[in-house]
Amino acid sequence: DAGVTQSPTHLIKTRGQQVTLRCSPKSGHDTVSWYQQALGQGPQFIFQYYEEEERQRGNFPDRFSGHQFPNYSSELNVNALLLGDSALYLCASSLVQNYGYTFGSGTRLTVV
Amino acid sequence: AQKVTQAQTEISVVEKEDVTLDCVYETRDTTYYLFWYKQPPSGELVFLIRRNSFDEQNEISGRYSWNFQKSTSSFNFTITASQVVDSAVYFCALSDPNFGNEKLTFGTGTRLTIIP
Repeated sequence: DAGVTQSPTHLIKTRGQQVTLRCSPKSGHDTVSWYQQALGQGPQFIFQYYEEEERQRGNFPDRFSGHQFPNYSSELNVNALLLGDSALYLCASSLVQNYGYTFGSGTRLTVV
Repeated sequence: AQKVTQAQTEISVVEKEDVTLDCVYETRDTTYYLFWYKQPPSGELVFLIRRNSFDEQNEISGRYSWNFQKSTSSFNFTITASQVVDSAVYFCALSDPNFGNEKLTFGTGTRLTIIP
C-alpha cells in the first residue's frame, strides 16, 4: 500500500518564478494538508483541502494557493517566489477528522 | 495562540543509554491532541503517537514511552536502550481545535544522535 507520494523530490527556481508541487495521498485518504518546513525549523501549516475545497488556512500569503482533484490528489502553487520560500514542502493526507496524518517525504525547493 | 517548545536542540547519547526528549506546550483550549513525529534524513515525518488531552495515562510501546502531564503542560518522550536507528529529528506537535484539530503546531525539533 503506497503512502503519500510527492513530486518532484527536488526543485531549483529563480526568484520571481512560479512553482507547482504535487501530492498523491495515501490510498483511502480524502484530505490533504500542506506544510512548509524551513531549515532547522518545525513544519508550519499552509492549508488543507477536502472535497476539492480549501478548508483551513494558516498564516501564509495569497501567493500560496492550491487545488485538490476528484481523485484526492493535490497541488501546491507558489507565485512570485522569494528567497525565503526555500524550504521542504511536506504533504500530509488523512481521513477527515481522523487526526491521523501520513506525511510524504517532501519536495525540497531552493529559490536562487 | 498555541505554542510548542522543545528546548533541547540537539542531544547525543551512547548506544543503549536511555534518553528523554522534552516537550512543553501552551494552549487555552481544553480539548486538543498531542503528537510525536520522527523525521529521519529521508525527510518524511513518521507518526509515533497521538494523545487526547483528556487521557493522561502514560503509554509504552516497546522501547518508547510517553509521559503526559497536563498540570505542567508537558508531553515528554523517553527512548529506553537507545539504538543507532533512533538517530533522527523528533518533533512534538499540538492540534488546534479552532481548526477542527486538523492544523498542527510543531515545535522546532530535537536532533537525537545515537553514538555506536
